[in-house]
Amino acid sequence: GENVEQHPSTLSVQEGDSAVIKCTYSDSASNYFPWYKQELGKRPQLIIDIRSNVGEKKDQRIAVTLNKTAKHFSLHITETQPEDSAVYFCAAERNSGGYQKVTFGIGTKLQVIP
Amino acid sequence: DGGITQSPKYLFRKEGQNVTLSCEQNLNHDAMYWYRQDPGQGLRLIYYSQIVNDFQKGDIAEGYSVSREKKESFPLTVTSAQKNPTAFYLCASSPSYNSPLHFGNGTRLTVT
Repeated sequence: GENVEQHPSTLSVQEGDSAVIKCTYSDSASNYFPWYKQELGKRPQLIIDIRSNVGEKKDQRIAVTLNKTAKHFSLHITETQPEDSAVYFCAAERNSGGYQKVTFGIGTKLQVIP
Repeated sequence: DGGITQSPKYLFRKEGQNVTLSCEQNLNHDAMYWYRQDPGQGLRLIYYSQIVNDFQKGDIAEGYSVSREKKESFPLTVTSAQKNPTAFYLCASSPSYNSPLHFGNGTRLTVT
C-alpha cells in the first residue's frame, strides 16, 4: 500500500521567513496530493492541492511543487505570519478498483515566532 | 460549519464495551472515510466507502466495523477487540476522485 513520509515533524520560523515542508510517497499510482492545515482543536482544512499532471501550483503566499519522478512534493509558505502556526498534513490519493484511498503523512507542527 | 456532522464530541466508555460513533453528511458526497488521529502519528485510515453497502478496510481496521446503509451516513463501531481505542476520530467525505476531503469536527473517545 501507499506510504507517505513527511518531514520535519516540527518547524519553528521567525515571522516573515519562509517555511518548507517535504513529503515523499511510495506508490507511483498516486495522482492527487492535497495539503491540509489543522489549527488547535479544529478540523483539518484544505489549503492547496496539486494533481499529478502539474509540477507547481501557487496561491498567494502558499505554493506546492511535485516531482513525480522522485515521488516527492513540498509545501512552501512565504512571508510567514503568526496565524500560519498550525499542524500541516500532506496526503496522497490513489484510485484502485473504483476506490479512492487517501493516505496522510504524520504532520508538521509549524510555529511562527513573532 | 455545515456539511459533515459527527456526534458526540466527547465519548466515554468502559473497557470491554462496544461504542458507535456517528457521522452524517448532507453534501451528497459518494466517498466517506474514517481516520484515527493520535499525537505524532498523523491521520491513519480505518475504513473507507465509495458507495452504499460497500466499504474497504484501511490501514488499521482491526477492532473496528462500519456500515454504509445510506449515502449520507457512515457510522463507526469501536469494538472491545480494539486494543487502544482512546483517540480522536475524524470522519470525512469527498465528492469524487482527485477532490479534497471535507472533515467533521471529530469525536474524542476515552476508554477507561
